[in-house]
Amino acid sequence: SAVISQKPSRDICQRGTSLTIQCQVDSQVTMMFWYRQQPGQSLTLIATANQGSEATYESGFVIDKFPISRPNLTFSTLTVSNMSPEDSSIYLCSVVSLDYEQYFGPGTRLTVT
Amino acid sequence: GESVGLHLPTLSVQEGDNSIINCAYSNSASDYFIWYKQESGKGPQFIIDIRSNMDKRQGQRVTVLLNKTVKHLSLQIAATQPGDSAVYFCAENTSGTYKYIFGTGTRLKVLA
Repeated sequence: SAVISQKPSRDICQRGTSLTIQCQVDSQVTMMFWYRQQPGQSLTLIATANQGSEATYESGFVIDKFPISRPNLTFSTLTVSNMSPEDSSIYLCSVVSLDYEQYFGPGTRLTVT
Repeated sequence: GESVGLHLPTLSVQEGDNSIINCAYSNSASDYFIWYKQESGKGPQFIIDIRSNMDKRQGQRVTVLLNKTVKHLSLQIAATQPGDSAVYFCAENTSGTYKYIFGTGTRLKVLA
């Protein structure tokens, strides 16, 4: 199994500012992902965090808005840049473990005012 | 705390009854399916999975049924308990990729 922690757990931010969310896993994993879950909605994949290289973004998400880092196998960050109220969501880190199971972190609840 | 699924379809079930949650998936090439449970304030948790070469798979108190003809997935929970109250999502995947497509979700409310 894999235990995932995220920081911060929640934040309230002003529009125009940026927030960096951290994801730490307690064991080595094969892949790390970032998802967004807007209020009352399902999960949408933002990007795959690649170790030591640029993340792979899904349609509708771009690096300038959501820069991602993954400096090692167990840590990744997602930045939400130049925030607007539409960015208010839960942001979830997810990993695929060495036994190919997918786990989710507890999420970061972001409110943009 | 903040609640997930405020506007999702809701299924209300009496404690002790069986629950059936349905999901229609979109990609006929999908060959792996997972049901997740998401409690308020937490990330999704794996419940049960099924591959496309199976029609049914049973776990502890849960059964997943897959109908590939109509691209339909269902989750059956036996003897529903208050702790089963959560939002349930299905997710589909195609072998060789790690991309999961999540369904819209259903909120299960267990009535005492």
